[in-house]
Amino acid sequence: KAGVTQTPRYLIKTRGQQVTLSCSPISGHRSVSWYQQTPGQGLQFLFEYFSETQRNKGNFPGRFSGRQFSNSRSEMNVSTLELGDSALYLCASSLGYEDTQYFGPGTRLTVL
Amino acid sequence: GQQLNQSPQSMFIQEGEDVSMNCTSSSIFNTWLWYKQDPGEGPVLLIALYKAGELTSNGRLTAQFGITRKDSFLNISASIPSDVGIYFCAGLLSGGSNYKLTFGKGTLLTVNP
Repeated sequence: KAGVTQTPRYLIKTRGQQVTLSCSPISGHRSVSWYQQTPGQGLQFLFEYFSETQRNKGNFPGRFSGRQFSNSRSEMNVSTLELGDSALYLCASSLGYEDTQYFGPGTRLTVL
Repeated sequence: GQQLNQSPQSMFIQEGEDVSMNCTSSSIFNTWLWYKQDPGEGPVLLIALYKAGELTSNGRLTAQFGITRKDSFLNISASIPSDVGIYFCAGLLSGGSNYKLTFGKGTLLTVNP
């Protein structure tokens, strides 16, 4: 079974731009969660989607948004990028919203 | 966001030595998870614990879910160079409409061949 895939793997943007990251979950998994990982803050939960509905949300500003499609693929969008948004963005999928999560390799976003 | 207290922050050991790391929290969890992350990659699930007191092994790895539901430890026996990486614990509290997954800050393990 293929694992969680994320595209792109690396991205460089400038301040003020917006970015969209994509995540394809493990086949059959219906829940997708997004995390931001930085050296200072560690892994922080952004939001979780299950059956196209956002079920949980972390403590991030409204510039961070996401959505999930009917095939369970998910996208995350960050608008008006700031330098502090530079991070590894990880997507994790699980069968259901309370099940063990499996992570993708992440998208490394650098904001200049 | 809320973090678990994971210790030690880093370890430098010789190949063949055993390693122990742990996580503690002021909150209870109903699942404990241990992940390993290699540079530039996402965390990989090593062990999942679902019941207080549970002791689970995965090869040279052994983890336990504390009786109080507020702590967990991970042991690695006879370490090898490929054990190098960052190990994260995560506590999950779920039930009803509740879902909260909290991560420790990680333990950086270096193994000297």
